Amino acid sequence: EMQLVESGGGLVQPGRSLRLSCAASGFTFDDYAMHWVRQAPGKGLEWVSGISWDGGNIDYADSVEGRFTISRDNAKNSLYLQMNSLRAEDTAFYYCAKGDYGDTAGGSFDYWGQGTLVTVSS
Amino acid sequence: SYDLTQPPSVSVSPGQTASIPCSGDKLGDKDVCWYQQKPGQSPVLVIYQDTKRPSGIPERFSGSNSGNIATLTISGTQAMDEADYYCQAWDSSTVFGGGTKLTVL
Repeated sequence: EMQLVESGGGLVQPGRSLRLSCAASGFTFDDYAMHWVRQAPGKGLEWVSGISWDGGNIDYADSVEGRFTISRDNAKNSLYLQMNSLRAEDTAFYYCAKGDYGDTAGGSFDYWGQGTLVTVSS
Repeated sequence: SYDLTQPPSVSVSPGQTASIPCSGDKLGDKDVCWYQQKPGQSPVLVIYQDTKRPSGIPERFSGSNSGNIATLTISGTQAMDEADYYCQAWDSSTVFGGGTKLTVL
């Protein structure tokens, strides 16, 4: 059974950092692009970042460019999101999502984790 | 940046057909997918590449995409279909529509 399990969320002060992790199982992790998508409480979905199967292509939303860094460790079947200089507007559920093919351009997200809540507040 | 526009809400009676539009410039030239999200749950892919259904998605879910509008259609809508629905496309980056709340009443 395919599983994506996020961890690392929590309460953090503005300007501080947090690192999210996503543990994948049940599929060949290094065949697929992976993405982070966030959802502020009561709001819609916002794509945050994506990384290709080999880490060679990486994309970010304008809202997080320069502050967030996506990475993956195919040996550990894991995806990461390093979030620096956090702002109140970064408060959201962060979902790890599997792309349906190897690159970040196009495609759909065919499996999603349960999400981890990041709250940025003093 | 590229925008996808959805109506905030759509209502349908049980057993009837629900249509949820998603509009964007030359959207018909792009691949569109749709997600269903129920309260407190993660999104679920229900349509990809405009018209295809993933394994396990009921046949009552279908999609179309032409011109500037993609449409998610739910035939014989059931109470369990009440949820938020999001369209998604790619135009130099992944873009989601704002979401449509489907009410079955």
